[in-house]
Amino acid sequence: AQSVSQHNHHVILSEAASLELGCNYSYGGTVNLFWYVQYPGQHLQLLLKYFSGDPLVKGIKGFEAEFIKSKFSFNLRKPSVQWSDTAEYFCAVNAGTDKLIFGTGTRLQVFP
Amino acid sequence: GAVVSQHPSRVICKSGTSVKIECRSLDFQATTMFWYRQFPKKSLMLMATSNEGSKATYEQGVEKDKFLINHASLTLSTLTVTSAHPEDSSFYICSAKIGTGWRETQYFGPGTRLLVL
Repeated sequence: AQSVSQHNHHVILSEAASLELGCNYSYGGTVNLFWYVQYPGQHLQLLLKYFSGDPLVKGIKGFEAEFIKSKFSFNLRKPSVQWSDTAEYFCAVNAGTDKLIFGTGTRLQVFP
Repeated sequence: GAVVSQHPSRVICKSGTSVKIECRSLDFQATTMFWYRQFPKKSLMLMATSNEGSKATYEQGVEKDKFLINHASLTLSTLTVTSAHPEDSSFYICSAKIGTGWRETQYFGPGTRLLVL
């Protein structure tokens, strides 16, 4: 069965620090990969997605993610975080269907 | 952008009663909607896929007779929690799919918090 792992459950950073959140998936075939963000009290929003082509995907708000097929990974990065990036981040995968399988999420806290 | 709404945003009910949650796509038509359940400090768990004009497809372990899904139009799907019990208390989130192929994206509603007393 497909699964998604997010190893960082809770990350605490100071503003301007660099961010990398890990995401690994288990599925041997073609996958589509997503990162969603859930700000406090708000609904899930799409940050970025990978379907094909350039494995380095740029999303909104300065976020990017790199798909490394050999490592089954799709890590999220941002060079300099802001206090407003405090949120829950979810990695998700779909493989051959339109169903999304979500990771357990990473809670990011950014302090000024 | 694509907006999905849910109603109600929160509901408190007595054990044994039924609760209906609505999910609407406000500015687009969605032949496919999804219902998720989110536990505290946990991920979203897909409950079922709701297809307009046909029966919903339930994930393994989800009781179809307890969680009734109706997708009567291209902009509305409803989830009815029948004979709710305290263990059904949770955060229920819907999403609506738009596009196909690389354009395919799910847009999520704000969620409905259900508390069963």
